[in-house]
Amino acid sequence: DTEVTQTPKHLVMGMTNKKSLKCEQHMGHRAMYWYKQKAKKPPELMFVYSYEKLSINESVPSRFSPECPNSSLLNLHLHALQPEDSALYLCASSQDWDYNEQFFGPGTRLTVL
Amino acid sequence: AQRVTQPEKLLSVFKGAPVELKCNYSYSGSPELFWYVQYSRQRLQLLLRHISRESIKGFTADLNKGETSFHLKKPFAQEEDSAMYYCALRFLKKTGNQFYFGTGTSLTVIP
Repeated sequence: DTEVTQTPKHLVMGMTNKKSLKCEQHMGHRAMYWYKQKAKKPPELMFVYSYEKLSINESVPSRFSPECPNSSLLNLHLHALQPEDSALYLCASSQDWDYNEQFFGPGTRLTVL
Repeated sequence: AQRVTQPEKLLSVFKGAPVELKCNYSYSGSPELFWYVQYSRQRLQLLLRHISRESIKGFTADLNKGETSFHLKKPFAQEEDSAMYYCALRFLKKTGNQFYFGTGTSLTVIP
C-alpha cells in the first residue's frame, strides 16, 4: 500500500461540535504531518510527528489537537472551531522527518458553520 | 525571514513551446528546494528536488544560489503538464526542520 488515506472526505460541523480527522499510511513512514490549505493558497504546515512524538507545532490554536496513536495513524481532533478554520486539511508522511519526499493524502474538506 | 516567491499566479503556454515557472527564495543558510505538482483532482505530489538533480517528465530545475532561484523548466510543454505547481523550501529552525510552500503557479498548456 503506497498511499496516504484520509477520512472523511468532507466534514461539516458547528462551532460547538467535536470531531476528528483521520490519516493512515502503511508505507512504514516514521514522520507524519498535518497541513491546512485555504482556497487558492499554498499548504501551511501545522504539526509534525516524528517517531510518534510531536516535534513541530507551528503555533496552532489549541482548538486543534493532534494525536499519533501509532506509527501508521495520525488524528486531528477538532473542538470549538471558528468559521475561518474552514479549509482543506492535508495529511502527509515521509520516510523520516528529513522531508525528502512527502506523500500527501487527498485531504479532508472541512466546513465550519 | 525565510520566503519562497512564485511571481506568476497564472501561466499559459502553447503546446510544444518552452515553459519556465519561476521560483525565488530567501534563506540565509543552505537551502533545500523542491517542486511539487498537483494535477486536477489529484493529490499533491513531489515532482523533483534540487539535491537529486534529476529530470522528471522532461522538467528540470537548477538551484542558482547567486540569484537565489530555483526555476522549473521544460523545453516542450505538453497538455498533460497543465497543473498547479508549488516551489517549496526546507530549512532548519530551532524546533527542527521546517517546510514552506510558495504561493503556486497554475500552468495551462493550450493545445
